[in-house]
Amino acid sequence: SQQGEEDPQALSIQEGENATMNCSYKTSINNLQWYRQNSGRGLVHLILIRSNEREKHSGRLRVTLDTSKKSSSLLITASRAADTASYFCATGSGGGADGLTFGKGTHLIIQP
Amino acid sequence: NAGVMQNPRHLVRRRGQEARLRCSPMKGHSHVYWYRQLPEEGLKFMVYLQKENIIDESGMPKERFSAEFPKEGPSILRIQQVVRGDSAAYFCASSHGTGWEQYFGPGTRLTVT
Repeated sequence: SQQGEEDPQALSIQEGENATMNCSYKTSINNLQWYRQNSGRGLVHLILIRSNEREKHSGRLRVTLDTSKKSSSLLITASRAADTASYFCATGSGGGADGLTFGKGTHLIIQP
Repeated sequence: NAGVMQNPRHLVRRRGQEARLRCSPMKGHSHVYWYRQLPEEGLKFMVYLQKENIIDESGMPKERFSAEFPKEGPSILRIQQVVRGDSAAYFCASSHGTGWEQYFGPGTRLTVT
């Protein structure tokens, strides 16, 4: 599997439910970032969590990071139809190798 | 505060022509990154630049592709002698510094006919 691999590949839930997406990676990281992409559009930055952090919140978003398991999760609470999008995790090593490594994403569909 | 700007948004080139993609980073950002996204795929890192310097070009194809970020003006990704396989969405991102959030532009969709 590749660095920054999301699971599941697709997720369909009812509006109001919580959505959880997972991300695994292979190498050491400086930070991990989550992005949202609506079909055919650019990426919207959601949240960054650093390697020395375990959990971060932003509005309805909650991100966890477990560096011992090389995994992260993104929880969206009280989902809305507007949350329908693809979600990507991306890992950064910092320093001179600061380019992010993306997974293929989780496609989230919120049913109204 | 304007976000990352890219132009053109759509670019059509015939095989063998040159493509020039431009990226203006967010105000105050001096770090620029280029990524390529193929259909139904995640983004692939291509190159990381600071003003007048290429820091990491490990994701850049060895031939036909080049990037610059001059002291004045936008960053340019240049693809010479385009082929059909170059058709993709090219995204630029900028950040305040290494290890900081990267903010993405809307992308340039290149179609090679």
